[in-house]
Amino acid sequence: AQKITQTQPGMFVQEKEAVTLDCTYDTSDQSYGLFWYKQPSSGEMIFLIYQGSYDEQNATEGRYSLNFQKARKSANLVISASQLGDSAMYFCAPTTGRRALTFGSGTRLQVQP
Amino acid sequence: NAGVTQTPKFRILKIGQSMTLQCTQDMNHNYMYWYRQDPGMGLKLIYYSVGAGITDKGEVPNGYNVSRSTTEDFPLRLELAAPSQTSVYFCASSNILGSYNEQFFGPGTRLTVL
Repeated sequence: AQKITQTQPGMFVQEKEAVTLDCTYDTSDQSYGLFWYKQPSSGEMIFLIYQGSYDEQNATEGRYSLNFQKARKSANLVISASQLGDSAMYFCAPTTGRRALTFGSGTRLQVQP
Repeated sequence: NAGVTQTPKFRILKIGQSMTLQCTQDMNHNYMYWYRQDPGMGLKLIYYSVGAGITDKGEVPNGYNVSRSTTEDFPLRLELAAPSQTSVYFCASSNILGSYNEQFFGPGTRLTVL
């Protein structure tokens, strides 16, 4: 089974500062995708950003960007200018050969005013 | 578009009871998935389907069954409920383009087995 590692169970960041959430994964696939989802306390799963393994540029989506290092099998999420509404669980999820997503254990981010 | 809908939102079962969690999507997606999320953990894949009539096991299929008779519906059946099945259950759907598999999630069903 694919192994996803999110080493930071919990993170704190001051409002308006940037924060990086780590994710490493273990895959033998050459072509794969890497997704990040946000889960606020209300429980829904919200898609944030996607990176394809053959994409030459790091993905960006508004205040979210990925620091994708394919050789290291690392895809860290960077949130710039944190807002109170960013407080949530964040999950890294690569695609697998079975075309499903395998989720990491998540990082709980708390943004402090 | 309602997206992915799940019923019920909450349910309490006694050990040994059975139930069906309903999932419907109106986006004409071929792929549908069932995940469970235990407290403080990530989501684990139970079953998935690549189209009507085709289902396959995920990481944690024991104690569950699924069927996919239409594109829209993907019910999850629990037989002989056990306390270990206390969890939040998410249904999701997607269309896959290469490695792009953005999954759209339902709101979840919170199940407690006592």
